Amino acid sequence: QVLLAQSGAEVRKPGSSLKVSCKASGGTFNNSAISWVRQAPGQGLEWLANIIPLFGTTNYASSMQGRLTITADKSTGIVYMELSRLRPGDSALYYCAREGPAVPPYFDSWGQGTLVTVSS
Amino acid sequence: IVLTQSPATLSLSPGERATLSCRASESVRTFLAWYQQRPGQAPRLLIYDASNRATGVPARFSGSGSGTDFTLTISSLEPEDFAVYYCQQRSNWPLVFGGGTKVEVK
Repeated sequence: QVLLAQSGAEVRKPGSSLKVSCKASGGTFNNSAISWVRQAPGQGLEWLANIIPLFGTTNYASSMQGRLTITADKSTGIVYMELSRLRPGDSALYYCAREGPAVPPYFDSWGQGTLVTVSS
Repeated sequence: IVLTQSPATLSLSPGERATLSCRASESVRTFLAWYQQRPGQAPRLLIYDASNRATGVPARFSGSGSGTDFTLTISSLEPEDFAVYYCQQRSNWPLVFGGGTKVEVK
């Protein structure tokens, strides 16, 4: 099973940016896509975007267009999520999740989550 | 596509049967998954393609449905099954989760 390790908790001020990383065990995602999903305190799951690291192709939720950028470094097996113009409403636990080999793929492996707090 | 889960909370005792519902605003064919999230943990894939159990998922979990109406059934609740359950569709972009059903101890 692929294990995903995320970077640590972040605290930012409104209007600033942050970058969160997600690294696959073994250093490769193979052909899998990686999604980012967030969960505000006490709330449900919200899909944000995904990337196929092998090709660099991305898809974004319309609510995140323009503020969210997903990138992948194939050499290190790390996927990054960069969120700009942060708002207090972006405070949440951010998960990366692997889209498994099924067709269509589902999220079969998840990172431990990165807590992001946006506060002045 | 909007996924509506019901009920929001299900209060049951260990050993009882749990029936959770997920309704889609339009057909997702059978491209629907169920996830379990225990407190303080990341979600875990239970069921994919509406009725297939993921690796390592106990047989007491089963999924059914197609089109717009789906059901997750837990035949006999174990203590570790008290958690929040989410459905998620994979038929169309954007990927969407339902609002969740919390299964709590009665």
